[in-house]
Amino acid sequence: DTGVSQDPRHKITKRGQNVTFRCDPISEHNRLYWYRQTLGQGPEFLTYFQNEAQLEKSRLLSDRFSAERPKGSFSTLEIQRTEQGDSAMYLCASSTPLTQGDTGELFFGEGSRLTVL
Amino acid sequence: DAKTTQPNSMESNEEEPVHLPCNHSTISGTDYIHWYRQLPSQGPEYVIHGLTSNVNNRMASLAIAEDRKSSTLILHRATLRDAAVYYCILRRGNTPLVFGKGTRLSVIA
Repeated sequence: DTGVSQDPRHKITKRGQNVTFRCDPISEHNRLYWYRQTLGQGPEFLTYFQNEAQLEKSRLLSDRFSAERPKGSFSTLEIQRTEQGDSAMYLCASSTPLTQGDTGELFFGEGSRLTVL
Repeated sequence: DAKTTQPNSMESNEEEPVHLPCNHSTISGTDYIHWYRQLPSQGPEYVIHGLTSNVNNRMASLAIAEDRKSSTLILHRATLRDAAVYYCILRRGNTPLVFGKGTRLSVIA
């Protein structure tokens, strides 16, 4: 296992369609995060899981967005009825819980780029 | 979330040291100072973090002011591969990272 992998890397869709992104974290990591990044901005936090439990959701996450991590391993992020404003890079990261001597470092994938036409 | 302030951009010559500043005047006693960087077309990657004392690792050094209201990330010899956006982030415990806009570092050959 060499790192966090995301699929697809690129997705072009028409407004109103649904899209789903998948993230496979580093295997021993029980925390998984989703971020969104638009051009020229830093990543914006969307939500995160510890194992299968979704612990926090940003107010940025509208009702059209849903994330799951059913078995505490991979996660999916679904966007329903996409809008042009959803065009962005969707980044996934994983980490272990912070323990003494640990950095709690987040390891990011390369992202899934969404373009909504 | 406590806020950080960084210059939008900086430039450095290759093989010279780079000092990237970060102001965080509202930092609380339990906030750690984390630095991440994002190379072009990649996700962010961890660089270094600290609480009060200066820190060194293979990538960089972190100098933290005595009052903790500012810090400086030091790259000892910039290379072209260090061209990236550098983010200074305050993190309390195991909370999610909150990114600002960061500093875009350009390295000139």
